[in-house]
Amino acid sequence: DAGVIQSPRHEVTEMGQEVTLRCKPISGHNSLFWYRQTMMRGLELLIYFNNNVPIDDSGMPEDRFSAKMPNASFSTLKIQPSEPRDSAVYFCASTAREGTGELFFGEGSRLTVL
Amino acid sequence: QKEVEQDPGPLSVPEGAIVSLNCTYSNSAFQYFMWYRQYSRKGPELLMYTYSSGNKEDGRFTAQVDKSSKYISLFIRDSQPSDSATYLCASCMDSNYQLIWGAGTKLIIKP
Repeated sequence: DAGVIQSPRHEVTEMGQEVTLRCKPISGHNSLFWYRQTMMRGLELLIYFNNNVPIDDSGMPEDRFSAKMPNASFSTLKIQPSEPRDSAVYFCASTAREGTGELFFGEGSRLTVL
Repeated sequence: QKEVEQDPGPLSVPEGAIVSLNCTYSNSAFQYFMWYRQYSRKGPELLMYTYSSGNKEDGRFTAQVDKSSKYISLFIRDSQPSDSATYLCASCMDSNYQLIWGAGTKLIIKP
């Protein structure tokens, strides 16, 4: 069974450009999370969806960040305009067992903004 | 003070040694305690989780939670070079989606 699939794996872009990260959760999982990981701040929750509905977006840094989940098998995280401080690894995770801490992570999208 | 504290290491031990990884937490409402393993340039992978206090064993791995002292431990027996990774502890309250993460401990097993 395929795990969580993220694309692109690596993205290098220039400041001011739009970045779109994509995620396909595990089939049957109804909860989806976007995390950001940096050396300085560790893993930070950006946004949480349940049954395709955004439940908690309090971790989204600012209006430059937006996320959508148009259906149960696809989600996007968009940064517009991108800034060098957005450089990080962005992870998508899904679970069918919300509230237990059992998350399945993708391999991440490594973003570098020059 | 962070809600979950973890020494970032690195912790370097010889192959075959018993490894002890630890975290402390401050929120007494936490009920789920998880250990995730993260290899370089990969996503975190759930290794073990424990509900409330007690021990849980899975092969060479033992997870231990002491709620009285708010202490979380992961023991690895007969450590292997393939165990070299960053180990992240995390906690959450019952039926709550918000995981609180430790900083991660980088473990190096020397052949």
